[in-house]
Amino acid sequence: AQKITQTQPGMFVQEKEAVTLDCTYDTSDQSYGLFWYKQPSSGEMIFLIYQGSYDEQNATEGRYSLNFQKARKSANLVISASQLGDSAMYFCAMREYKAAGNKLTFGGGTRVLVKP
Amino acid sequence: DTEVTQTPKHLVMGMTNKKSLKCEQHMGHRAMYWYKQKAKKPPELMFVYSYEKLSINESVPSRFSPECPNSSLLNLHLHALQPEDSALYLCASSQVFPRRTGNSPLHFGNGTRLTVT
Repeated sequence: AQKITQTQPGMFVQEKEAVTLDCTYDTSDQSYGLFWYKQPSSGEMIFLIYQGSYDEQNATEGRYSLNFQKARKSANLVISASQLGDSAMYFCAMREYKAAGNKLTFGGGTRVLVKP
Repeated sequence: DTEVTQTPKHLVMGMTNKKSLKCEQHMGHRAMYWYKQKAKKPPELMFVYSYEKLSINESVPSRFSPECPNSSLLNLHLHALQPEDSALYLCASSQVFPRRTGNSPLHFGNGTRLTVT
């Protein structure tokens, strides 16, 4: 079964607008971490933001924020004031503390294209 | 600049060749990873090393042979590959997964684009 689901294969967003990328996950572990990565066409994977399952507040990192709804098992990424350089593939990923040790599992990704 | 360095950036090899991919990090991380990524797909985990010991092998074919000579270096030895093994190979490192806090993101290199002819 899919552990991480990203339902939006691709999105267009107007420059300077906000965009929300969906991510839902499935785990029976109480302790886990959720990560978002950005992958430009050059191929490098850039870490954006982290949310721990025990964190009570939503994570924020500059223009990135994470809308964490634990009961719904969702961890949506919000990018505010989109810039042309935000055009890239975005991956949601999860680490389960007990079950999988050092394993980081990725969702299928969402491609974002920012229009001027 | 990425703190995880992978060489070479591009590699073309025949099915009978033997080659190696190299990865180096100087962040003091004790967990290192190999991922394989096909075009328009997410990265798929191949191997994890923790404290220089192989801790996860995701049922990878034996034509891929990892090696972790020390805490800073990770190699992937390639032999008798198939054309379907053509992909982007990503190396990553992190702190060994802390039990509860968990905020230890993987830091990725820029990858090696491998083409098997």
